[in-house]
Amino acid sequence: DGGITQSPKYLFRKEGQNVTLSCEQNLNHDAMYWYRQDPGQGLRLIYYSQIVNDFQKGDIAEGYSVSREKKESFPLTVTSAQKNPTAFYLCASSIGTGTSFAEQYFGPGTRLTVT
Amino acid sequence: RKEVEQDPGPFNVPEGATVAFNCTYSNSASQSFFWYRQDCRKEPKLLMSVYSSGNEDGRFTAQLNRASQYISLLIRDSKLSDSATYLCVVKSRQAGTALIFGKGTTLSVSS
Repeated sequence: DGGITQSPKYLFRKEGQNVTLSCEQNLNHDAMYWYRQDPGQGLRLIYYSQIVNDFQKGDIAEGYSVSREKKESFPLTVTSAQKNPTAFYLCASSIGTGTSFAEQYFGPGTRLTVT
Repeated sequence: RKEVEQDPGPFNVPEGATVAFNCTYSNSASQSFFWYRQDCRKEPKLLMSVYSSGNEDGRFTAQLNRASQYISLLIRDSKLSDSATYLCVVKSRQAGTALIFGKGTTLSVSS
């Protein structure tokens, strides 16, 4: 059963703590993405990776870090430097990043609450 | 000017109605276009890609006007289950760039 999984669904942390969100896909997609969504806002791109061991900053990368050691996995770390970390985090993947393969498929998301 | 603009709505329509959503984009280099659907507190799901000649999928019809940089989505015979937020999404011609999402238009279909 192919798809994208994210865990956990809900995550609660204290301010000042780093937290890592998991994203795994078994679609054999090369490209993976992380977005955050705030209430009433559109999706904003945090980081994306076109291939293993390579990733690029998106529009709001400050306070976040990623790694892409395996094709299937693209974990996101929310560091204590991120000023407003409470949000809905969505991971997505696509076959590639060219115009012919641009459709992205999303995981179910992780709701992070930092207090 | 925002890259992708949509009327946020909400659009409140009765079952069986026809409703149209519009979207404008600012980057003339945009090459790929999509409509996604997002249910409350869920992830976005691809509804349909939008092709230059326009395309239809059941009750849904998407149109693209490159000259006006305008995309539309028409839903015929609305169902209660169509209630959701519809996201207009574009991608530039440049490889390696990510999708740009509009903030979405909210549709509420009532019986």
